[in-house]
Amino acid sequence: QSALTQPASVSGSPGQSITISCTGTSSDVGGYNYVSWYQQHPGKAPKLMIYEVSNRPSGVSNRFSGSKSGNTASLTISGLQAEDEADYYCSSYTSSSTWVFGGGTKLTVL
Amino acid sequence: EVQLVQSGAEVKKPGESLKISCKGSGYSFTSYWIGWVRQMPGKGLEWMGIIYPGDSDTRYSPSFQGQVTISADKSISTAYLQWSSLKASDTAMYYCARHAGTPGPDYWGQGTLVTVSS
Repeated sequence: QSALTQPASVSGSPGQSITISCTGTSSDVGGYNYVSWYQQHPGKAPKLMIYEVSNRPSGVSNRFSGSKSGNTASLTISGLQAEDEADYYCSSYTSSSTWVFGGGTKLTVL
Repeated sequence: EVQLVQSGAEVKKPGESLKISCKGSGYSFTSYWIGWVRQMPGKGLEWMGIIYPGDSDTRYSPSFQGQVTISADKSISTAYLQWSSLKASDTAMYYCARHAGTPGPDYWGQGTLVTVSS
């Protein structure tokens, strides 16, 4: 099971919007609407930000949104804030009844 | 409040065995899958495997099959990850995470740092 493909890094200025992509195959991202996104600050455990492609858990800012087209899912963060600087990971359910993560994307707020 | 509390950091020598734990509270422990995720130093998250405490059904990533064993004791709401013979390459942070069914991990433990060094 290969890791999902994410850009290694993205950056943006405060107030701007950024999008992080997550590319898989028809056996994972493309085959199921079970893509999640996680935020991880240094030295901390990951935190669920988006589940089932586009749903936000209670307490997560509506500046975070998710979408999917074919084998690629995307996380968009609007109105960037300094506190958004972190690593972001996507994950997907797979046809093997397992889960797989993306390689992670480091977001820098300039 | 859902909580997953993991056991403390471990320092082991190559060849030694180890079992780390993850205790769940604030929800029905037998009704949700519990998985384990590895994060090697400076690297990304890797999904290792999962167990359903209700019936001990277990699944592993092909990358970790045969390398670790996942188990659970539902009487004390605790899941385990164990190694029979550690290697230096097992040095990593290990997280447990409750899985909300097919959507995947939702709540995470604080992590257990495992250091394997001679």
